[in-house]
Amino acid sequence: GAVVSQHPSRVICKSGTSVKIECRSLDFQATTMFWYRQFPKQSLMLMATSNEGSKATYEQGVEKDKFLINHASLTLSTLTVTSAHPEDSSFYICSARSGLQLGFFGQGTRLTVV
Amino acid sequence: DAKTTQPTSMDCAEGRAANLPCNHSTISGNEYVYWYRQIHSQGPQYIIHGLKNNETNEMASLIITEDRKSSTLILPHATLRDTAVYYCIVRPMDTGRRALTFGSGTRLQVQP
Repeated sequence: GAVVSQHPSRVICKSGTSVKIECRSLDFQATTMFWYRQFPKQSLMLMATSNEGSKATYEQGVEKDKFLINHASLTLSTLTVTSAHPEDSSFYICSARSGLQLGFFGQGTRLTVV
Repeated sequence: DAKTTQPTSMDCAEGRAANLPCNHSTISGNEYVYWYRQIHSQGPQYIIHGLKNNETNEMASLIITEDRKSSTLILPHATLRDTAVYYCIVRPMDTGRRALTFGSGTRLQVQP
């Protein structure tokens, strides 16, 4: 199946700093990428939808100025958590899709803000 | 997308078949049944999908009832590595840009 690579898999940062997470589709062009967040023992919650070359669409309650999404090419989307705080600690997961296939998921990024 | 109902958790003995049910009584004619699973600290993994016929692949079998109001994912010989949360998702197959919506899923624990 198609491969979506997410990097880093794990990151620890200090409160107030920014963290960038990359999501790459390795063997297909992703017209749309999605970013999810998952807190312990909870399901995945969609944060935003990113279409190549256009601004991301954020779900209600997700601060667009805090979670910056860039989808500059058909194979790369980035999520930057700006001025991170401990409550932003979570498991962040990206998904990429193209055409009829529903999407393949990255391996996730465990963010811990200390 | 149609609402789905799954048991919160299930146990299965290693080597035995794991049968995971999903109720989707409000499914529409153009909606497919998809199954994904998420192993701890990993991203979700696609397993299988179907419309109305039973489907089988190298990972699992999907049995959909004739009225399509429920389905069962079957892992024929569960291993410890199959311990995961299994999500049943019902939605149309579309070329649009909508994300998958995940419910609570079923936490399958395969016991040695």
